[in-house]
Amino acid sequence: DTEVTQTPKHLVMGMTNKKSLKCEQHMGHRAMYWYKQKAKKPPELMFVYSYEKLSINESVPSRFSPECPNSSLLNLHLHALQPEDSALYLCASSQGRATANEKLFFGSGTQLSVL
Amino acid sequence: EDKVVQSPLSLVVHEGDTVTLNCSYEVTNFRSLLWYKQEKKAPTFLFMLTSSGIEKKSGRLSSILDKKELFSILNITATQTGDSAVYLCAGGTSYDKVIFGPGTSLSVIP
Repeated sequence: DTEVTQTPKHLVMGMTNKKSLKCEQHMGHRAMYWYKQKAKKPPELMFVYSYEKLSINESVPSRFSPECPNSSLLNLHLHALQPEDSALYLCASSQGRATANEKLFFGSGTQLSVL
Repeated sequence: EDKVVQSPLSLVVHEGDTVTLNCSYEVTNFRSLLWYKQEKKAPTFLFMLTSSGIEKKSGRLSSILDKKELFSILNITATQTGDSAVYLCAGGTSYDKVIFGPGTSLSVIP
């Protein structure tokens, strides 16, 4: 299994809703990442978990809350989002400790629309 | 501020053409240069380059890094319609971050 699976594929939510994005991998990877990608823009790093510990938070607003319950699973909890948060949210994993010398495996993303 | 610049931003070629995509970077504590191909949504890994002057090849794709001039190129020979995608270049830092460039959108027409 060489896949990173993200659910849901599409999500529409209001500004007062609470929702969660889920990411799962069964490749034994020990680093997992959340990226945000706006249309026609490159992915922007949000969070990095390395060995289930949060190692990088790129000054992301607190309305985004990551969680890594175990080495295979990564969640992104969403609360009180703004319309400008609408984007493609990509999850990725890499084999070892999160370093710049790791090949990233990406999921297909969750397309989020905030109304 | 770390940045990765790619050129051209958009390119249209005919099948069979050879293309060269450019990537220049200014990245603090540079560790690696990575290329990804993004079709539809999920970027897929192409190459990771850490040493200058050593070409990496995979089929019709090849890439090389120049750490003195801070750039890399991605070559695609005998292009096919399946090569149509956005090609992302990324710089990896010793602070465990990967910074992506804006991408080159390649369209290969029959």
